[in-house]
Amino acid sequence: EAQVTQNPRYLITVTGKKLTVTCSQNMNHEYMSWYRQDPGLGLRQIYYSMNVEVTDKGDVPEGYKVSRKEKRNFPLILESPSPNQTSLYFCASSFNRGGRNSPLHFGNGTRLTVT
Amino acid sequence: GDSVTQMEGPVTLSEEAFLTINCTYTATGYPSLFWYVQYPGEGLQLLLKATKADDKGSNKGFEATYRKETTSFHLEKGSVQVSDSAVYFCALRGVYGGSQGNLIFGKGTKLSVKP
Repeated sequence: EAQVTQNPRYLITVTGKKLTVTCSQNMNHEYMSWYRQDPGLGLRQIYYSMNVEVTDKGDVPEGYKVSRKEKRNFPLILESPSPNQTSLYFCASSFNRGGRNSPLHFGNGTRLTVT
Repeated sequence: GDSVTQMEGPVTLSEEAFLTINCTYTATGYPSLFWYVQYPGEGLQLLLKATKADDKGSNKGFEATYRKETTSFHLEKGSVQVSDSAVYFCALRGVYGGSQGNLIFGKGTKLSVKP
């Protein structure tokens, strides 16, 4: 089954404790992206990747890191989480960034709470 | 830059009522337009899309027409069901500029359908 898999689904942590949210897709997609969803703000893009070893900042990259060492994986790293990073996070992928007929496939989300 | 504005919710309707969720956009050129739906506890999934002016996207009884003259892509359904309760996001994929190809989302509209 074609899917984007994020782990964990729920995560509660404390300020400053490094964490990684994993994302994997099995569709051989080139493009992958991370979003955060907050009430009243909708979805905002954190980082995206056009292909292996190619990553770029989205609209709200501060406090986050990503890597793309393999095509299928795109982990989101919070080196020193802070309470303002409490949010619902989504990973998404598609065949390519610029394709007009290339919809995004989303994971089921990771709800992160930083205390 | 490119942007999407959609009507604020929440929207509460009775079963079999007519639904309209307004969406307007600002973009250079001819972006692709999308409606995504997010059911409770899940990630977003593509509902319908249109890639050029006057195209009509349709799926599951929902429709939206790409109106270049009014820069709009309103979502409609003639008779909603309880199972349509979800959050609906309008989105565009820009053509020009540094963020071309990235999806830009509206803030989402929550729909609740009562039996």
